[in-house]
Amino acid sequence: DVKVTQSSRYLVKRTGEKVFLECVQDMDHENMFWYRQDPGLGLRLIYFSYDVKMKEKGDIPEGYSVSREKKERFSLILESASTNQTSMYLCASSFWAEGNQPQHFGDGTRLSIL
Amino acid sequence: GQQVMQIPQYQHVQEGEDFTTYCNSSTTLSNIQWYKQRPGGHPVFLIQLVKSGEVKKQKRLTFQFGEAKKNSSLHITATQTTDVGTYFCAEERDDKIIFGKGTRLHILP
Repeated sequence: DVKVTQSSRYLVKRTGEKVFLECVQDMDHENMFWYRQDPGLGLRLIYFSYDVKMKEKGDIPEGYSVSREKKERFSLILESASTNQTSMYLCASSFWAEGNQPQHFGDGTRLSIL
Repeated sequence: GQQVMQIPQYQHVQEGEDFTTYCNSSTTLSNIQWYKQRPGGHPVFLIQLVKSGEVKKQKRLTFQFGEAKKNSSLHITATQTTDVGTYFCAEERDDKIIFGKGTRLHILP
């Protein structure tokens, strides 16, 4: 079974802090994704990556950056956390292949910015 | 980016009743995926539809892809308490995966 592991289940940080959310997958997937999930808004794509050191902006990249130094690890960075970034953050991974591939999600990190 | 429109947003049904959620797009979809997220859990892939008019079944779940590939539906026959959760459709657009806002299903005992 695919395992996508997010480093923290719950995290509390203060406004202005630099925050790192880590995600590791064990299935040698090429694609990795970061979403945030908010009530009534569904899942919104922040950033994704199709390869090491490669990144693409999703629909809501403002205030975030990402890092993919190794294939199995995809980090989401909040450069200067703000209260409107309080949310559930979900990491996902999938194989690269022609057409859409099923995404495998981690358990999520519930981040609170005070 | 505009999300696929998913309706209804919420649905309460009595246990044993049927349930349907719909996904609609203004553009032709190359394919569509469906996911289920249990309360407190993460989205889990259910199925992918690719062909026009495709119908796939998983036990009590029936998935359909419209003939014009602009809409899709998920139908659950005789709901059970284990069906509780939020059902999402997801489309591929511009090399990105775009999720609908989901339909939250509540089962009344």
